[in-house]
Amino acid sequence: AQSVTQLDSQVPVFEEAPVELRCNYSSSVSVYLFWYVQYPNQGLQLLLKYLSGSTLVKSINGFEAEFNKSQTSFHLRKPSVHISDTAEYFCAVSVTGNQFYFGTGTSLTVIP
Amino acid sequence: NAGVMQNPRHLVRRRGQEARLRCSPMKGHSHVYWYRQLPEEGLKFMVYLQKENIIDESGMPKERFSAEFPKEGPSILRIQQVVRGDSAAYFCASSPIGQGQGEQYFGPGTRLTVT
Repeated sequence: AQSVTQLDSQVPVFEEAPVELRCNYSSSVSVYLFWYVQYPNQGLQLLLKYLSGSTLVKSINGFEAEFNKSQTSFHLRKPSVHISDTAEYFCAVSVTGNQFYFGTGTSLTVIP
Repeated sequence: NAGVMQNPRHLVRRRGQEARLRCSPMKGHSHVYWYRQLPEEGLKFMVYLQKENIIDESGMPKERFSAEFPKEGPSILRIQQVVRGDSAAYFCASSPIGQGQGEQYFGPGTRLTVT
């Protein structure tokens, strides 16, 4: 069975500082990896995804994540955060492409 | 193209009542998924449906919970005889036909409160 671990439940960071949100997964087969963002009282929005090809994937708002197969990780990074990045971030893994397994989420709080 | 729609957004039920949650997938999507999010927890998969078929219900509690996705109309998640532990946010997601590398598109959720 697949599982996803997000070790950091809460990450406070000052505005314009860099941030890394960690995600590790367990699977014996090839996976697809996703990061979703959830703003208060809203549904999840896809931030970025890794399906195949380049191990470094980027979003339009400055986030990036790197697939590391040997470490079974898919950490999310941003070099300089904004207040508007305050949200809950979920890492997810899929094998079939249909059923997703989500981590417990990381609450990112950007401090002015 | 409207996104995934869920209604109601907020639902209050007394213990023992029935809760009925609706989900309309994005246009052209025939795969629907239901998830439950408890406070301070991530999303837990409940059930995966295609039109008129339940494909995977491994995450559904064995009693009181049921789901359907009829040929016409929205998908329905039904919870009978609700208890306080059912209080949670319930999210629906959809994906297009045959998209094996899916990304899922999520609705805004229904927040169920059992009093």
